[in-house]
Amino acid sequence: SQTIHQWPATLVQPVGSPLSLECTVEGTSNPNLYWYRQAAGRGLQLLFYSVGIGQISSEVPQNLSASRPQDRQFILSSKKLLLSDSGFYLCAWSSGPSGTEAFFGQGTRLTVV
Amino acid sequence: AQTVTQSQPEMSVQEAETVTLSCTYDTSESNYYLFWYKQPPSRQMILVIRQEAYKQQNATENRFSVNFQKAAKSFSLKISDSQLGDTAMYFCAFMKSYNNNDMRFGAGTRLTVKP
Repeated sequence: SQTIHQWPATLVQPVGSPLSLECTVEGTSNPNLYWYRQAAGRGLQLLFYSVGIGQISSEVPQNLSASRPQDRQFILSSKKLLLSDSGFYLCAWSSGPSGTEAFFGQGTRLTVV
Repeated sequence: AQTVTQSQPEMSVQEAETVTLSCTYDTSESNYYLFWYKQPPSRQMILVIRQEAYKQQNATENRFSVNFQKAAKSFSLKISDSQLGDTAMYFCAFMKSYNNNDMRFGAGTRLTVKP
């Protein structure tokens, strides 16, 4: 069966520090991968999606970047965090062009102080 | 780009009663999927129900059913016999049925089931 792992679950980082959140998927190949951010009490904002290794589409120009170094690995990064980067980050996958739903990781609560 | 709108930020319902959550969307696609996801306090996203746009029959999953009006681009969720465990954020979502390179969510509706 397919599983998705996202870590860490909680992170407190100072302003100006770097960020690296990792997401891996098991049990499937060539998934579509997504990073979403959920601000407090708000909906899910699509940040990045990837349809293959090295292929990243950005939805919102901002302080964050994403990379897909391996087929089932998706990384969200920042060189210098801002206070506004605080939020709940969710990684998700769907099974490529014919996928019929998205499956989500447990999420990372990021607090920038 | 597709947009999804949920116009009810918060709703409440008495236990055992029925509640309907609204969702509208905008797309030029003819084939797509619509979803309702539930996010309980644990923050884990749970798929509640899925509707394929080419199917005229409304999807049902036990106490959960949808009213899908393709021409009106409306996709509401009805929860029957509400239970305390239904308390959660509910998100409506849209995904193209081919080359689904993104999945769009509405702002969510916070549902509280009262005892």
